[in-house]
Formats: sequence, C-alpha cells, structure tokens
Amino acid sequence: GQSLEQPSEVTAVEGAIVQINCTYQTSGFYGLSWYQQHDGGAPTFLSYNALDGLEETGRFSSFLSRSDSYGYLLLQELQMKDSASYFCALYSNYQLIWGAGTKLIIKP
Amino acid sequence: EAGVAQSPRYKIIEKRQSVAFWCNPISGHATLYWYQQILGQGPKLLIQFQNNGVVDDSQLPKDRFSAERLKGVDSTLKIQPAKLEDSAVYLCASSPLAGSEQFFGPGTRLTVL
Repeated sequence: GQSLEQPSEVTAVEGAIVQINCTYQTSGFYGLSWYQQHDGGAPTFLSYNALDGLEETGRFSSFLSRSDSYGYLLLQELQMKDSASYFCALYSNYQLIWGAGTKLIIKP
Repeated sequence: EAGVAQSPRYKIIEKRQSVAFWCNPISGHATLYWYQQILGQGPKLLIQFQNNGVVDDSQLPKDRFSAERLKGVDSTLKIQPAKLEDSAVYLCASSPLAGSEQFFGPGTRLTVL
C-alpha cells in the first residue's frame, strides 16, 4: 500500500523559516504535491514535484528525494496568515493519496 | 473564473436519515472528485469521475453512499442511511485532467446526531 507521514504540529516564529517534512512509502508514484488548508477552509494547491530537487514559488519551496522517499515544504519569511494545515500528497494512479497534515502554528 | 460550488455548506441530520450534497465543478474540468475529511485527518477520496464515468470508487461505502455525475458536469453525493461516523466535511474538487492540480469547493460540513 501507500502511506505518508508528517509531523502533526510544528511551531515557528513570525519572520522565521520553517520546514515541514513528509516521508512516504509507495511502490510507484508520479510526484509529490503540497496543499494548504486554513481552518474551516478548502485545500489549495501550493506546489508539485515530479522530479527530484527543489521547486521554488515565492516564499514557498518544495523538495523531493525519491531515493530517500522524502520530501519537504519550506516556508520563508513566515507571516501570521501562513498559520494553517499543510498536506503532502502522492500523485499515483491519477489520484492523490493524502497525508494526515501538519498544523503550523506561528507565534508573533 | 468561477470556482467549485457546493451546497449546502452545513447540514445537521439524525442518524438513519438521508442527505444529499451537490457540486458544480469549474467549467470545462473533466475530472471531479468527492472527498471525505474527518477532523484532524487528510482528505479521503470517495469517488473520482472522468466526465460522467466512474474512474475509482474503491473507498466509497456502497451500501450507504452513492454518487452520480449526469451529463459530465454537476454531481451529487448521497448518504442513505447516515451513521454517526459519517460526520465530516465532504469536499468536492475538480481538475482539467486526472492528476493535474485539483481545485476544491468550500465543502459541506455534515453533523449526524
């Protein structure tokens, strides 16, 4: 089967950098996606890594290492509005397999 | 461009009652997904449509859940009869193609008493 593991909660300070890790087990997949979900809101797409390496989109970057079955989301210059849950999801068989999510708490 | 629309936003029912949710995807999106998200968990795929055909419904509890996507546009998800454990947010998402970025609706928060 396929499974993903993320920390349940991460705390960081406004203006700092935080990394949210995601490890996975799978027999095959096309890529790793990241979604953001604010409390009471819908998930919104952040990034997708089809290949190993770093993808950068503004303050957010995502990394994938297939050999280590590992990826991470890096958030820089944290703002209070970044307080949300972050999900990694494997893209496999034309659908997403989701992790349980990491709640990011940002302190002023 | 209008987003994914869902209704109702909230629904409270008693166990053994029936409930239906409606979803209107982004215009032109061929793929439509229904997810169940229990508090504190990631979304769980219930069913995936490609146009009006079912691609995957392996995690849909077919004894009580049903879904259809008539004419390959709008979709409805029905639960009959509801159980306490069905309390969750039901999310509809669409994408232009299977596997591309998914766009989510606001969800329907279902409470079963």
